Amino acid sequence: NAGVMQNPRHLVRRRGQEARLRCSPMKGHSHVYWYRQLPEEGLKFMVYLQKENIIDESGMPKERFSAEFPKEGPSILRIQQVVRGDSAAYFCASSQSGAVETQYFGPGTRLLVL
Amino acid sequence: DAKTTQPPSMDCAEGRAANLPCNHSTISGNEYVYWYRQIHSQGPQYIIHGLKNNETNEMASLIITEDRKSSTLILPHATLRDTAVYYCIVRAANTGTASKLTFGTGTRLQVTL
Repeated sequence: NAGVMQNPRHLVRRRGQEARLRCSPMKGHSHVYWYRQLPEEGLKFMVYLQKENIIDESGMPKERFSAEFPKEGPSILRIQQVVRGDSAAYFCASSQSGAVETQYFGPGTRLLVL
Repeated sequence: DAKTTQPPSMDCAEGRAANLPCNHSTISGNEYVYWYRQIHSQGPQYIIHGLKNNETNEMASLIITEDRKSSTLILPHATLRDTAVYYCIVRAANTGTASKLTFGTGTRLQVTL
């Protein structure tokens, strides 16, 4: 059973470009979470999605960031007009359901903004 | 979610047991204790979780005090590959916004020869 998959693993963007990060949850999991880890800092929750629904986006920056989890296909975290401060590792986790179900993490996408 | 307090760093000799403490004195009755670890910037790895009773799996044991205000993660025979940052997280058993994990600063465990 494949784990959580994220791609690309590394992404380089210039300031002002768009970044798209993809996350395929574990088989049978319909809940996806995105976390961000800035350099030398801890992981911070960004957004929690179920299929076609955003459940909790309390950790998402108000501008430039959006997330979706369509009925078919991976979850996408989209960052428009990237700035240097967006450089970070972005981790996706998935679970079978919400609540106390264990979240399993992917390997992350390292975004570098030049 | 209740806050947790962990020592910033610990050392452990290879082959010995690593005992990582966590204080969560404000934990509520419906909150679970979860442990994850992060090995050198990889994705966090789930280790174990529990509510009231002690738990054991192939990776570790979790000992929760009777009053649930603290817990200890035990790696019975630490190896160099266990060197990582270990996070103790308290999480409510509710749906919706309570589903997120709140990571603190964790304990940096260094396993040495």
